[in-house]
Amino acid sequence: DAGITQSPRHKVTETGTPVTLRCHQTENHRYMYWYRQDPGHGLRLIHYSYGVKDTDKGEVSDGYSVSRSKTEDFLLTLESATSSQTSVYFCAISESKTSDRPSTDTQYFGPGTRLTVL
Amino acid sequence: GESVGLHLPTLSVQEGDNSIINCAYSNSASDYFIWYKQESGKGPQFIIDIRSNMDKRQGQRVTVLLNKTVKHLSLQIAATQPGDSAVYFCAEIYNQGGKLIFGQGTELSVKP
Repeated sequence: DAGITQSPRHKVTETGTPVTLRCHQTENHRYMYWYRQDPGHGLRLIHYSYGVKDTDKGEVSDGYSVSRSKTEDFLLTLESATSSQTSVYFCAISESKTSDRPSTDTQYFGPGTRLTVL
Repeated sequence: GESVGLHLPTLSVQEGDNSIINCAYSNSASDYFIWYKQESGKGPQFIIDIRSNMDKRQGQRVTVLLNKTVKHLSLQIAATQPGDSAVYFCAEIYNQGGKLIFGQGTELSVKP
């Protein structure tokens, strides 16, 4: 998994509770991403980061926030979880050889976090 | 482009045969394409990539073909093995947006 870990790997929570998922990388890559994967929708980008404290929205960012206080960690927070956020969440990293934002180079994925919101 | 429908296309092959998985991509301005393999319970795993200035690229037992005229990508797996059973996704990157867009995915099932 290209030096990427995600925690927790599984979580069950209740509607309305806050949830934070963590992505940790050991590759010192500049770009980090959060995706969700649902049947019928494939992988969809939630948020991404192009450096420490630099983040931007993806296509399904509503209800999610992110933070990146250091290169190796990218946190995804659901401020008030809803049942529609039940999904498998994947973190990805990439290193860009250009100034494109987000990176146009290969993304490598972590093992995923399965989140169930009851 | 975006996935539609709830059921993945399935390709079933005999062990030892060659497999061809097809993908139609959405954006004629996309200039970088990647094939990922995803096994059950795991994250997508990079297999092979190709830039739009190429029409063929070979890896170990895999070949990717790109036809920009009809916006078609294919992944060929030689001598398919049971360990190749997985869902395969193509993904495109549109240079000016940088967003990785995943295709629907194809489930490959290898019969021993």
